[in-house]
Order: sequence, then C-alpha cells, then structure tokens
Amino acid sequence: AQSVTQLGSHVSVSEGALVLLRCNYSSSVPPYLFWYVQYPNQGLQLLLKYTTGATLVKGINGFEAEFKKSETSFHLTKPSAHMSDAAEYFCAVSSNYKLTFGKGTLLTVNP
Amino acid sequence: EAGVAQSPRYKIIEKRQSVAFWCNPISGHATLYWYQQILGQGPKLLIQFQNNGVVDDSQLPKDRFSAERLKGVDSTLKIQPAKLEDSAVYLCASSLWERGTDTQYFGPGTRLTVL
Repeated sequence: AQSVTQLGSHVSVSEGALVLLRCNYSSSVPPYLFWYVQYPNQGLQLLLKYTTGATLVKGINGFEAEFKKSETSFHLTKPSAHMSDAAEYFCAVSSNYKLTFGKGTLLTVNP
Repeated sequence: EAGVAQSPRYKIIEKRQSVAFWCNPISGHATLYWYQQILGQGPKLLIQFQNNGVVDDSQLPKDRFSAERLKGVDSTLKIQPAKLEDSAVYLCASSLWERGTDTQYFGPGTRLTVL
C-alpha cells in the first residue's frame, strides 16, 4: 500500500520568504510523485511531477521539488513567496496506476 | 483546449434524497476519475474508468453510490440515498491514459451539502 504524509497542515510565510512544504511517502514500488495546488473553489492544478531521471524537478510559478529516495521525501520549495501563492498544496504518489493524496498543506502569505 | 467540465457547482439536499453529478472530460482522454474530497482532507479516489469500463471501484460505497460512463466520454456519479457524511466536494479528473506517469487534469468540483 502507498501513502503520503504532509508535515504541517498550515504553513505561514512572509512575502519574499522561502517556501518549504514537506512531503514524505511510502510505496512498495518505485513511485511517481506529484505536487498539486488548489485555489479556493477550484479544482487541483499540477505544479510538477517526478517520474524518472533528474531528481530535481522544476514546475510552474517558480516551484521546484527534489526526490530523495533515501529519505522517501519530495519536498516542495520556492525561493521567494508571492501573495498569489496562497493556496492549498497536495502531495501525491502514484504506483500501480493509482494516485494517493496527502491531507494537504494550507499556505498563507503575509504582506 | 477546454478543461474538465463539471455541473452543478453547488448542490444542497436533505439526507435520504438522491443527487447526480455530471462530468465531461478533456477531449480524447481515455481515463476518467471521480474523487471525494472531505473538508480538510486530500481527494480520495471513488472510481476510475478506462473508456467505458470500470478499472477500480474498490472505494466506492456501492450500496448508495453508482457511476457510469456511457460511450466512453462523459460520466455521471449518483448518490441515493444521501447521508450527512456525504457532504464533500466531488472532483472529476481525466488523463490521456492510465499510466502512472500521466497527469490527471481536474475539474472545478461539485460542492455537496447534505442537511
């Protein structure tokens, strides 16, 4: 069985500060990993994904994530937060063609 | 390219009533998913279709939930009768195929409130 743990249900940062959202996974097979963002009253939008190859993955809106197999982690970062980054972020793992989501981390950005 | 369409966006019903949600996936996408997202949680897969066949419905409460995907295009999810615990956002997603690497594209969701 696969699972995802997102550490911190709520993260608050100041505008311009580093954003770090943590994600750890468990999977019995080599995983594919995803980060999605959800703005209020909207569906989920893909930020980035790791399948194979380079372990540092760049996504949209300046976000990136690094796959660390030894730590079973896939943390999401952005060097400088914008007000528009305020949203809920979901980490997900796909193995055996099934996508399993974490519980999400709500990011607030303070002016 | 048009995204995944869902309707209605909001629905309020009394418990024991029935309700239906509609989803139209991105054109050409063979795989369609229905997820349930309870407040404060991540989406949970209810059912997955490949064309018009069911691939996975292991987490669908079959005593009250049903879904179909006629002609392998749009899909309907029904709840009959609804319970209070069914209050959630129901998300529809589609992907080109069912490979684990395929990106799933999500619709805006239907927010269901059961009173």
